[in-house]
Amino acid sequence: QSALTQPASVSGSPGQSITISCTGTSSDVGGYNLVSWYQQHPGKAPKLMIYEVSNRPSGASNRFSGSKSGNTASLTISGLQAEDEADYYCCSYAGSSTVVFGGGTKLTVL
Amino acid sequence: QVQLQQWGAGLLKPSETLSLTCAVYGGSFSGYYWSWIRQPPGKGLEWIGEINHSGSANYNPSLKSRVTISIDTPNNQFSLRLSSVTAADTAVYYCARDSAATEYWGQGTLVTVSS
Repeated sequence: QSALTQPASVSGSPGQSITISCTGTSSDVGGYNLVSWYQQHPGKAPKLMIYEVSNRPSGASNRFSGSKSGNTASLTISGLQAEDEADYYCCSYAGSSTVVFGGGTKLTVL
Repeated sequence: QVQLQQWGAGLLKPSETLSLTCAVYGGSFSGYYWSWIRQPPGKGLEWIGEINHSGSANYNPSLKSRVTISIDTPNNQFSLRLSSVTAADTAVYYCARDSAATEYWGQGTLVTVSS
């Protein structure tokens, strides 16, 4: 069970859109529609932003959207705002009742 | 509103056993899996395992030999024990509801392993 692969960092200017990728295998990301995304500000617990690939929980901004193609899931943030600067983690069901996280991506709002 | 409150020892010596407990307030306790997730300082999240109200537990294969998650359903609590800790187990440990779509988290407990 290996960690999912995310870019270490991404950046964008206010108002722009950015996309963070999350690459796994057919045994996790590609095999199930059970990918979630979390936002984490320093010193805080993670916050669920997307679940089951593309669903938003109540309380998550509609500027956040998720998708999946093959073994790669993606999180897109549109209309970037300063408050979006944070670490982002993907997570996938990995079969056999286990879960695996990505290594995390640091988003910088320029 | 669902709230998770966790507690346990924050400083351990190598080879000791980590022990944390999480209490759940509000919402249904029986209808969900309850999980533990950790985050070493400056690093990413790692799923440790989960348990449901009937005591059925699932563990991260890389930690399975050292981890026990237990549940106290009458008191809406669940616990984590991690044996034979080393410096590599130093992390913030979170309790949470569910594993694949974790909407509710505890406040986190920093556990430091140092001689």
